[in-house]
Amino acid sequence: KQEVTQIPAALSVPEGENLVLNCSFTDSAIYNLQWFRQDPGKGLTSLLLIQSSQREQTSGRLNASLDKSSGRSTLYIAASQPGDSATYLCAVPDSNDYKLSFGAGTTVTVRA
Amino acid sequence: DVKVTQSSRYLVKRTGEKVFLECVQDMDHENMFWYRQDPGLGLRLIYFSYDVKMKEKGDIPEGYSVSREKKERFSLILESASTNQTSMYLCASRGLGSQETQYFGPGTRLLVL
Repeated sequence: KQEVTQIPAALSVPEGENLVLNCSFTDSAIYNLQWFRQDPGKGLTSLLLIQSSQREQTSGRLNASLDKSSGRSTLYIAASQPGDSATYLCAVPDSNDYKLSFGAGTTVTVRA
Repeated sequence: DVKVTQSSRYLVKRTGEKVFLECVQDMDHENMFWYRQDPGLGLRLIYFSYDVKMKEKGDIPEGYSVSREKKERFSLILESASTNQTSMYLCASRGLGSQETQYFGPGTRLLVL
């Protein structure tokens, strides 16, 4: 069974600092990896999806890298803003591509 | 824009009641999912459906059932609600293929008294 771990569990930074969020997974035979954002009491919003053949994916200030062989992905958020405060989750599908296994998330607070 | 809607944002029910949570997606997605999210336990898959009238158990199906009579609608049913089913319930949908993103609804926060 795929195990997904996110470190750290929480992070607090001053505005303007770059954020680095880590995700590791135990089974490297993945189709893709997704990063989501969740605001308190809300659903999840997809941020980035990296295919297994890609090494990174970018969207605005967000950049996600994927190293399948070591079972790791990193989400970088450049020049953080208070509006980036949220919980960030990574997820990978299981071998039949239906079900996602989620990490527990990293809760980010950006201080103004 | 893909839209996944859930019938209620907040629900309060009594122990033993039958509870229906409805989810509708507008993108003609084949796959639909029901999760629950609890502090310290993260997101756990209850059931998913890969086609109309098709369903598979997820990690925690006990006490729940589902119905998918139409492609756009996936219902979660709590046959006899219990206090340990108090939780945030999230519905999601996804098209076929490994390049497809999973889209989530806004969630239903259920309180069982």
